[in-house]
Amino acid sequence: GIQVEQSPPDLILQEGANSTLRCNFSDSVNNLQWFHQNPWGQLINLFYIPSGTKQNGRLSATTVATERYSLLYISSSQTTDSGVYFCAGGGAGSYQLTFGKGTKLSVIP
Amino acid sequence: EPEVTQTPSHQVTQMGQEVILRCVPISNHLYFYWYRQILGQKVEFLVSFYNNEISEKSEIFDDQFSVERPDGSNFTLKIRSTKLEDSAMYFCASSPEVYTEAFFGQGTRLTVV
Repeated sequence: GIQVEQSPPDLILQEGANSTLRCNFSDSVNNLQWFHQNPWGQLINLFYIPSGTKQNGRLSATTVATERYSLLYISSSQTTDSGVYFCAGGGAGSYQLTFGKGTKLSVIP
Repeated sequence: EPEVTQTPSHQVTQMGQEVILRCVPISNHLYFYWYRQILGQKVEFLVSFYNNEISEKSEIFDDQFSVERPDGSNFTLKIRSTKLEDSAMYFCASSPEVYTEAFFGQGTRLTVV
């Protein structure tokens, strides 16, 4: 199956700083999502982005499908951005999403 | 906004007991999934369900587990004889089609004692 690598595993930011999270896939994906897991454990959908670029407020994401990676940008970070960010992808012929191990983001005031 | 709902939010059970975790997927979605996340680890796929049958399952989804869509709205995961290592957060998800955005419920935290 597909392998998903996320980097960095941990990130500490001062409030107001910008950051880039990366997700690499071992194979092509038909399906790619970014999630934020909040302190209560809920998985919040951020982006469905198998290719191209999307923006939602301070967050944006870019997927370069031909090079099998995706980036999540967080600008002007706030303490409420803290949590774990997961990317997940699904390959051809598979119904499942394979998750990475996540990036744990801590935004400090 | 439509959402996937799961009940209960937290369940404590004794080792060896059977548990049923319940989910109500988004109403016009056709594909349903269960995932689990052991504390501090990544989210792992268990099973996908389409057209009233399992479409894919992982190695984790052994004979101890079963899924069912008992009516037009509910989707359940049964764990027959729970073990300590089944303690985890279980997520239900649904999507309108395959290879489309999946939406996750808030999770059921299962604690086996």
